[in-house]
Amino acid sequence: DSGVTQTPKHLITATGQRVTLRCSPRSGDLSVYWYQQSLDQGLQFLIQYYNGEERAKGNILERFSAQQFPDLHSELNLSSLELGDSALYFCASSARLAGAPSYNEQFFGPGTRLTVL
Amino acid sequence: ILNVEQSPQSLHVQEGDSTNFTCSFPSSNFYALHWYRWETAKSPEALFVMTLNGDEKKKGRISATLNTKEGYSYLYIKGSQPEDSATYLCAFIRNTGNQFYFGTGTSLTVIP
Repeated sequence: DSGVTQTPKHLITATGQRVTLRCSPRSGDLSVYWYQQSLDQGLQFLIQYYNGEERAKGNILERFSAQQFPDLHSELNLSSLELGDSALYFCASSARLAGAPSYNEQFFGPGTRLTVL
Repeated sequence: ILNVEQSPQSLHVQEGDSTNFTCSFPSSNFYALHWYRWETAKSPEALFVMTLNGDEKKKGRISATLNTKEGYSYLYIKGSQPEDSATYLCAFIRNTGNQFYFGTGTSLTVIP
């Protein structure tokens, strides 16, 4: 158990809908990362937050947005869902060392499996 | 598009064999390289974070080296055990933008 929690575990929804995935980082971790893993692709970095602020952006679609709240939990919002958005979405957190968050190992949550029908 | 390549894609070895695989990444704008171990139906688990050219890190029977000038990192497993069976991922972090670029992984199967 990494200490990172994600809810829900599974989500089944229809095209055009909007969903919210939730992540609680390890106690004390200030950085949160979101990743998408589709069947035909490897792990794709979406976005990173550090202490409430967006720190880095990857291949995140405009239909997707994220935020990190003052209690450090994070939410990933996916809207106007398409069949191709079906994937496993991981959240990871890393330690609070200042200056270079990417030097710190990441701890991954169990993931949320999203199925868009 | 930034390419992070891992080779081989998959590997089958006998228990007790030693093995190694490669992660290749751009040699410019290097910031850090992460190695992760990903077992089926579980989450990726961090193995190493490598930051300096010439870094060598070790955790039990697993070790890794880093060459930032030529853009590669090797992961070695000594005396493979069935519990080492997993996909091994590397992630390259560039010094501009702080983004993570994952390779597609090397799938290792250790046959008892």
